[in-house]
Amino acid sequence: DVKVTQSSRYLVKRTGEKVFLECVQDMDHENMFWYRQDPGLGLRLIYFSYDVKMKEKGDIPEGYSVSREKKERFSLILESASTNQTSMYLCASSPQLAGRYEQYFGPGTRLTVT
Amino acid sequence: SQQGEEDPQALSIQEGENATMNCSYKTSINNLQWYRQNSGRGLVHLILIRSNEREKHSGRLRVTLDTSKKSSSLLITASRAADTASYFCATDDRRNTDKLIFGTGTRLQVFP
Repeated sequence: DVKVTQSSRYLVKRTGEKVFLECVQDMDHENMFWYRQDPGLGLRLIYFSYDVKMKEKGDIPEGYSVSREKKERFSLILESASTNQTSMYLCASSPQLAGRYEQYFGPGTRLTVT
Repeated sequence: SQQGEEDPQALSIQEGENATMNCSYKTSINNLQWYRQNSGRGLVHLILIRSNEREKHSGRLRVTLDTSKKSSSLLITASRAADTASYFCATDDRRNTDKLIFGTGTRLQVFP
């Protein structure tokens, strides 16, 4: 079974803190994704990566950065957390050409910024 | 940018009834997928339908696709309380197949 794990299920941080969200997949997938999910807005793509050290902006990259040093690991970084970044963050992975293949999701990290 | 819009936003039914959810999208696609999300959890893939397919079945799930209307429907037959979840459609964009664009979801409640 494909497994995508995220470092924390729940996280509480203060405004201005630097926040790292980690995601690891064990299926040797090329593509990895970070989404945020907010009520009424569905899933919105923040960043994705199609190879080690490669990254592409999604629809809402402002206030976020990412790092992919190893194929299995994709990190989302909030350089200076703000209250409007309180959300559920979902990581996913897939083989190449995501539209043709399903995405495998982690359990999510519910981040609260106070 | 939102590609898929699900309808209805919320649906409540009794066990044993059928549940139908609809998805509309805006651009030409190669594939459309449906996902399920249990409360507070990650999404799980249900079914993928390609643009040259009109209907696909998987167990109690039936998906249809009408590319002329840019719409899809997900039918769950003989629903169970365990089907209670949110359901999302996701499409690629024919010009950029690396990303999926998710809709806002339908929240299904099945009462025992």
